[in-house]
Amino acid sequence: DIQMTQSPSTLSASIGDRVTITCRASQSIGTWLAWYQQKPGKAPKLLIYEASNFQSGVPLRFVGIGSGTEFTLTITGLQPDDFATYYCQQYSSYQWTFGQGTKVEIK
Amino acid sequence: EVQLVESGGGLVQPGGSLRLSCEVSGFTFSDYSLSWVRQAPGKGLEWVSYISSRSSPIYYADSVKGRFTTSRDKGENSLYLQMTSLRVEDTAIYYCARGGLDQWNPFGGLISNTPLEYWGQGTLVTVSS
Repeated sequence: DIQMTQSPSTLSASIGDRVTITCRASQSIGTWLAWYQQKPGKAPKLLIYEASNFQSGVPLRFVGIGSGTEFTLTITGLQPDDFATYYCQQYSSYQWTFGQGTKVEIK
Repeated sequence: EVQLVESGGGLVQPGGSLRLSCEVSGFTFSDYSLSWVRQAPGKGLEWVSYISSRSSPIYYADSVKGRFTTSRDKGENSLYLQMTSLRVEDTAIYYCARGGLDQWNPFGGLISNTPLEYWGQGTLVTVSS
């Protein structure tokens, strides 16, 4: 199975900051990577697919890049609505796997 | 508007069974794959199963293979998860999620790879004695 490793697990930041979350795959997944945002008590929401494509309606401050085994999600100009937990997910091969999550909290 | 509504969660004893349902609307049911994803209390997301728009192929996580069965019914616009031999570690919120538009080659092989675009609100399954 492909293991997905996210870092950091927790990130403290302020409004307006630029933050970056890293996701590493245990083997190459091409660009079959998605990023999700989850707020407490809510279902996850798709932000980015195929490593760098914006899901409809997602603000342009969320930028995903990467291919192969290394991927990043950068939020430029953190907004109050962005404090949440973020997950990467590979959908290159079954079993699909998620990273363990990165909680972005207010500093 | 795409909607997915899960139901059927509840409290069940270890070794017991439960059937989850997910009623969908707002899109052509027979064109899209569907999946189940779960989240144990305070933990991360775990993919459980995938079913293509044509009900084949179906894939399962190793942790549930042989115990859980996923199916879908076009007439009911619904996805199902039959869970048997339940364990304490199956306790979680179970989400159903819709993938993207399935694409097939002329030989009937699935050629699309899509993420989970829409999610339901989840249903809680608690396995405890």
